[in-house]
Amino acid sequence: DMKVTQMPRYLIKRMGENVLLECGQDMSHETMYWYRQDPGLGLQLIYISYDVDSNSEGDIPKGYRVSRKKREHFSLILDSAKTNQTSVYFCASSSPGTGNTLYFGEGSRLIVV
Amino acid sequence: AQSVTQPDARVTVSEGASLQLRCKYSYSATPYLFWYVQYPRQGLQLLLKYYSGDPVVQGVNSFEAEFSKSNSSFHLQKASVHWSDSAVYFCALSPYGSSGNKLIFGIGTLLSVKP
Repeated sequence: DMKVTQMPRYLIKRMGENVLLECGQDMSHETMYWYRQDPGLGLQLIYISYDVDSNSEGDIPKGYRVSRKKREHFSLILDSAKTNQTSVYFCASSSPGTGNTLYFGEGSRLIVV
Repeated sequence: AQSVTQPDARVTVSEGASLQLRCKYSYSATPYLFWYVQYPRQGLQLLLKYYSGDPVVQGVNSFEAEFSKSNSSFHLQKASVHWSDSAVYFCALSPYGSSGNKLIFGIGTLLSVKP
C-alpha cells in the first residue's frame, strides 16, 4: 500500500515549546521532503532528505531541523516554537522511479499560541 | 530563476461547464511540469505530469493539460466539471526531472463548482 503517514494530524503548542512532527512512508523512497502550506503562499520547501543522514536545506529552513535515521522515517523538529510557525506541514516522498512525482501525506496542522 | 505563476486565485464554474486553470512557468529550458489537486483536509495528489513528447497529456478523472513552450504555459482543462472537482489545484515545476530536486509550486487555484 503506497502511503505517506503523518503524526500527529493536529497539534496545539505554546510559544517556546518543542514540536516533533513525524512522517513515515512504506514505498522505500530515497527522497523525502517537508513543506509548509500557508494561505496565499502555496507550498514552501523546508528541508529535503536524499537518504538516511543526507539532508539539505530548502527555501525556508530557519527555525527548523530534521532527522532521518531510517529510510522510512523523516522527522521535523521545531526547537522553541514561534507563533509564525503556525501552519499546515506536509511530508512527501519520491524516488527516481517516479520521476519527480511526490507522494504526500495528509498534513499536520500546528497551532502555536 | 525558476517560478510558477497561477494567475487565478479562485475560479467558479457551474457543474457541467468546461474548465481551464492557467499556469505559466519561468525556466530557461524545458521543465518537467505537474498538476496536483488538494481536496479539503487532505494532502496533494498527482493529476498529471509532462516530461516530453506529445504536448497534450491526459490525467486522472478526465483532466488534461497542454504544454506550450512558446507561451511557457501548462494549462489544465476539463470538458465537463462535476461538483466533486471542487478543490485547490497546484501547478508545479521540476527543474531537473529527477528525484531529489526541489519541486516549485504555484500558489494554487481554488476551484468552486456550483451545482
